[in-house]
Amino acid sequence: GAGVSQSPSNKVTEKGKDVELRCDPISGHTALYWYRQSLGQGLEFLIYFQGNSAPDKSGLPSDRFSAERTGGSVSTLTIQRTQQEDSAVYLCASSSYSGLLAGSGETQYFGPGTRLLVL
Amino acid sequence: KNEVEQSPQNLTAQEGEFITINCSYSVGISALHWLQQHPGGGIVSLFMLSSGKKKHGRLIATINIQEKHSSLHITASHPRDSAVYICAVRRKAAGNKLTFGGGTRVLVKP
Repeated sequence: GAGVSQSPSNKVTEKGKDVELRCDPISGHTALYWYRQSLGQGLEFLIYFQGNSAPDKSGLPSDRFSAERTGGSVSTLTIQRTQQEDSAVYLCASSSYSGLLAGSGETQYFGPGTRLLVL
Repeated sequence: KNEVEQSPQNLTAQEGEFITINCSYSVGISALHWLQQHPGGGIVSLFMLSSGKKKHGRLIATINIQEKHSSLHITASHPRDSAVYICAVRRKAAGNKLTFGGGTRVLVKP
């Protein structure tokens, strides 16, 4: 079956513009995650959606970042008034984590990422 | 100090050699993941483990919960194993989100 897909694969924007990044998770996966990987840096958690629960936004670096997940499927990460330090690869992952396997979690499947460059 | 530390940061091996990558963490965890990121960026989940040892092909992952340490071993390494290997932990009471190590860049020469 299809894996996690992300669009666009690359995005170049000017400082101050808003951008939207899209993630299509694996069908049936209830959990969706956004991560960021800056150049030369490790992966960094941004936000986590689980079913109909309120999202865990604890990793969002500023209020310019927001995300939504419509209908429990597709998610959009929005960055307002982009800054050069926002340049990074933004990765989405999904899993079938149900919460029933408390403490063990499930394997996360990663999308190919969106490479964002803010000029 | 980072909560998840990997060593070495870089590793070069000759084809056929045995490779070990280490991961130490300082928080209570419910599970630990090993991920592989190839040039071009795609990330693949290799293992998820909470105790003991798992094996898949030439890859072996072990974890010692008491010592807060995990190792990833590659036996009979091959140039196609060249990638960045990333350790990530799921902290207890932190849902399913992951905290990542800095990665180990592995280059296997033919």
